[in-house]
Parts: sequence; structure tokens; C-alpha cells
Amino acid sequence: AQSVTQLGSHVSVSEGALVLLRCNYSSSVPPYLFWYVQYPNQGLQLLLKYTSAATLVKGINGFEAEFKKSETSFHLTKPSAHMSDAAEYFCAVSDRGYSTLTFGKGTMLLVSP
Amino acid sequence: EPEVTQTPSHQVTQMGQEVILRCVPISNHLYFYWYRQILGQKVEFLVSFYNNEISEKSEIFDDQFSVERPDGSNFTLKIRSTKLEDSAMYFCASSQGRGQETQYFGPGTRLLVL
Repeated sequence: AQSVTQLGSHVSVSEGALVLLRCNYSSSVPPYLFWYVQYPNQGLQLLLKYTSAATLVKGINGFEAEFKKSETSFHLTKPSAHMSDAAEYFCAVSDRGYSTLTFGKGTMLLVSP
Repeated sequence: EPEVTQTPSHQVTQMGQEVILRCVPISNHLYFYWYRQILGQKVEFLVSFYNNEISEKSEIFDDQFSVERPDGSNFTLKIRSTKLEDSAMYFCASSQGRGQETQYFGPGTRLLVL
């Protein structure tokens, strides 16, 4: 069964600093990979996804993620954090041929002025 | 922009009661899903639905759960006899296809079982 590990339940950065949220998956076959964001009292919104095209994927709001097969990782980055980026971020995987999303535990991003 | 909607946003019920959570998926989507998130835990898959039948389900989705698409727009999750441990945020999602297709999530229904 797939599993997703997100290191750090909380990450704190200053406004303007680099954002790095980590995600590792367990699979012998590269799955489809997703990052979702959840703002307070809202549903999950897709930031970006990897579907075996380019390994560096660009998403909304200036976020990007790089698929590294050798490290089984799909870390999310943003060069410069904004206060509006404060939210919970979820990494998820989907095995090819299936529709189930398996989520990590989520990382709460805190941005201070 | 089309979005998934869910009603109610909050529901409080007594243990043993039946609840029905409602969702309106995006209109041209074919795949529908329910997930739940117990407070402080990860989002967990419950069930997927395609072509008027369940296509995948998790171990959580036991006999007390059922799903239905009673008409062309609604997608419902019924919990027949609620337990305290059913308290969670329940998310509905929909997608055009499976696998790499994006699943669009609704805002969730927070269920509290007393």
C-alpha cells in the first residue's frame, strides 16, 4: 500500500523567506503526485501535480515541486513566502490506474512578518 | 469557476442516529469520492463512485456506510448508525477521470457525534 510522509507538522518562515515543505512517498513504480492547500474553513485546492511529464512542476501562487525518483521525493518550494501562504499543505499520491488519493498528514505553514 | 458544494457545513447528531451528507459535484465530472479527516489526523479515502456503482472502497467504508447518486446532480454519503468515532470532517470530491486527473474537493461537512 502507498504511504506518504510529510516531515514536520509545522513549518515557520518569515515573510520573504524560502518555503520548503517535504514529501516522500513509498512506491516501486512512480505514482502520480499532488500538492493540495487548505485554507481555514475551506476545502482542499490543488496547487500542482506530477504526471510523468517534466520533473519540475510549476503550480499556482508561485509554488513549484520537483519529482526525484532516486529520492522518492516531491518537495514543495516557493522562493519568497507571503503572509497569504499561511495554510495547511497536503502531499498526496495516486497509483497509476487507480483513483484513490493517499494523503500525508499535512504541514501547517506559518508566515511571520 | 465550477466548484463542488456540500451541505450541511456542520451537523451534530446523537450516537446511533442516521445521517446523510450531501454533495453536488462539478457537472461534467464522472468520478465521485468521499474522504474524511478525523481531527488531527490525515485525510483518508472512503469510497469512489463511477457509472452508478462503487469502484473502490477502503477498509473504513464498512456496512454502516452507503453512497448514492439519487439524481443527476447530488451525491450522498449515508451513515446508518453513527458512532462517536465517526466524528470527522467529510470531504466530497469529483474528477473527470481517474489516476492523474485532478480531484476537486468541496469545503467539507463537519460531523459531530455525541
